[in-house]
Amino acid sequence: GENVEQHPSTLSVQEGDSAVIKCTYSDSASNYFPWYKQELGKRPQLIIDIRSNVGEKKDQRIAVTLNKTAKHFSLHITETQPEDSAVYFCAASRVGGGSTLGRLYFGRGTQLTVWP
Amino acid sequence: GAGVSQSPSNKVTEKGKDVELRCDPISGHTALYWYRQSLGQGLEFLIYFQGNSAPDKSGLPSDRFSAERTGGSVSTLTIQRTQQEDSAVYLCASSQRTNTYTYNEQFFGPGTRLTVL
Repeated sequence: GENVEQHPSTLSVQEGDSAVIKCTYSDSASNYFPWYKQELGKRPQLIIDIRSNVGEKKDQRIAVTLNKTAKHFSLHITETQPEDSAVYFCAASRVGGGSTLGRLYFGRGTQLTVWP
Repeated sequence: GAGVSQSPSNKVTEKGKDVELRCDPISGHTALYWYRQSLGQGLEFLIYFQGNSAPDKSGLPSDRFSAERTGGSVSTLTIQRTQQEDSAVYLCASSQRTNTYTYNEQFFGPGTRLTVL
């Protein structure tokens, strides 16, 4: 099965700085890579995703990059704000055939703290 | 519209008792997932239902755990003879798959916090 590794486990940055979280995956057939944000005491929510036919995707201050050859993808947050403080999870999924269709394999999460 | 709901929100039980956790997915969502999240930990996959297909039970940690999904909608996760290590937040998520090539966001419920004394 798929194995997703996520680093770092904790990340502290000053407000206004950039934050980068990296993930690797093992199954070359994985083709969908979402990122979820979980604020303290709340449920995880999708913030951005990328498909394997795209190398980069941006949405305001957040961006995700994908390197299929190296099997890694990263979340970039620019101009961080205190409200970005949360746990971020990367995930990988394979769409297209098989009983595992749609199942997300999650990384262990990164606790991001943005200091004012 | 209504999101994924779970009940109860909190459950305290004694070691050895059975518990049932309920998940109501978003109407029309064909896929339903159960995850477990221990304090400060990641999302541990438990089980996945997709339409009428056989569920993917590969994440269930022991035979004390089971889940059903009746009528393709509501799901119940049952933990028999609970142990203290079962204490965690149990999250349910649902997604809508319209065709093979649709990448579907998982919508999470608020979770059930289970405490086994």
